Amino acid sequence: NAGVTQTPKFQVLKTGQSMTLQCAQDMNHEYMSWYRQDPGMGLRLIHYSVGAGITDQGEVPNGYNVSRSTTEDFPLRLLSAAPSQTSVYFCASSLSPRGPSSGNTIYFGEGSWLTVV
Amino acid sequence: DQQVKQNSPSLSVQEGRISILNCDYTNSMFDYFLWYKKYPAEGPTFLISISSIKDKNEDGRFTVFLNKSAKHLSLHIVPSQPGDSAVYFCAASGLNAGNNRKLIWGLGTSLAVNP
Repeated sequence: NAGVTQTPKFQVLKTGQSMTLQCAQDMNHEYMSWYRQDPGMGLRLIHYSVGAGITDQGEVPNGYNVSRSTTEDFPLRLLSAAPSQTSVYFCASSLSPRGPSSGNTIYFGEGSWLTVV
Repeated sequence: DQQVKQNSPSLSVQEGRISILNCDYTNSMFDYFLWYKKYPAEGPTFLISISSIKDKNEDGRFTVFLNKSAKHLSLHIVPSQPGDSAVYFCAASGLNAGNNRKLIWGLGTSLAVNP
């Protein structure tokens, strides 16, 4: 039972480089999202998707792109990495397109530790 | 401005005793509250939730109490076990001004249960 799978788990980037954090879920969940967690800031929503072909911005979308071509996959792209994007990134999914509301539990991946130098 | 506040960054409790983790919120539009637990190097996992139409929800050793008038909720763990040592996040769900549902997270409380 894979659940939500994120890769890579650790990555070091140089400023200006681009990369993609991969996220896949095998639970046929409609809702997928990306969070970042920083000390003293809690979990902040970057982008989310309520179904294939539909994406929307969260609280802190700048510097990140997403796409949702399939129900299973929701990659997060950093086009030109900056030191401010050093963080722990969590992908999460939920069965209902309404996402984390009412009784819709969200399931998190194990996290991706990204350092931008 | 933090809409969901967990004012205690850390809490230390003896094994077998009660752990009480607190959470305050400012937005009366929140209608669902959740607690998540996070171990180091892992993603958060769902623990327990409560709807705003209730004032208590219990699941085994975990009970969440909601006081709407005080905009306060608490998570009680009885009895506490060393395996409960983790960071606990409080989260609140509600509709924002644009009628979109949002989930707002607290900063977390790190619980240490000592044997």
